[in-house]
Amino acid sequence: GDSVTQMEGPVTLSEEAFLTINCTYTATGYPSLFWYVQYPGEGLQLLLKATKADDKGSNKGFEATYRKETTSFHLEKGSVQVSDSAVYFCALSDATSYGKLTFGQGTILTVHP
Amino acid sequence: GAGVSQSPSNKVTEKGKDVELRCDPISGHTALYWYRQRLGQGLEFLIYFQGNSAPDKSGLPSDRFSAERTGESVSTLTIQRTQQEDSAVYLCASSNTGTGNNEQFFGPGTRLTVL
Repeated sequence: GDSVTQMEGPVTLSEEAFLTINCTYTATGYPSLFWYVQYPGEGLQLLLKATKADDKGSNKGFEATYRKETTSFHLEKGSVQVSDSAVYFCALSDATSYGKLTFGQGTILTVHP
Repeated sequence: GAGVSQSPSNKVTEKGKDVELRCDPISGHTALYWYRQRLGQGLEFLIYFQGNSAPDKSGLPSDRFSAERTGESVSTLTIQRTQQEDSAVYLCASSNTGTGNNEQFFGPGTRLTVL
């Protein structure tokens, strides 16, 4: 079955540091890939997505590139801010699964001033 | 309403009792999903509704779990004879189509604690 593996956290960084959160996946066919974010006290919301190989999703300074050859969708940001502190979830949606999402276990990011 | 709403926000119950969780999707969204998030884990898919089609119940963990949806509106998730392992945050999401690349909008969740 489909699965998503994220790098284990928590991740603690200083403001303006470079961020990478690794995500790899296993799926049949050609899934769509997503990063969702959950800020403290808020609901889960879409951060970015990519729907085919070599696509790059980007939003709020975050980027992730759909790499079919390595089955990866790593999340990056060049300079993190305190306000980026949140839980980040990598997810996939298989083309045959009516859009249901398979999630990784989540990575807690804490950014200190 | 602006987003997906869920009620109650918190529910504490005793083992063996039945609970009912409610989800109000975004108006006009035909697809509705229920997920479960156990402490320290990712979200697990439970069930999917698309319009008037038969739901995909493949993620329901046992026959104690059931869900209904009336047309394209409110959905209820019912857990009968609750067990301690049912303790989790139950999240509802909706999208305007049930396709793989469409954004799902999540509600705030119901935190269920089974004593």
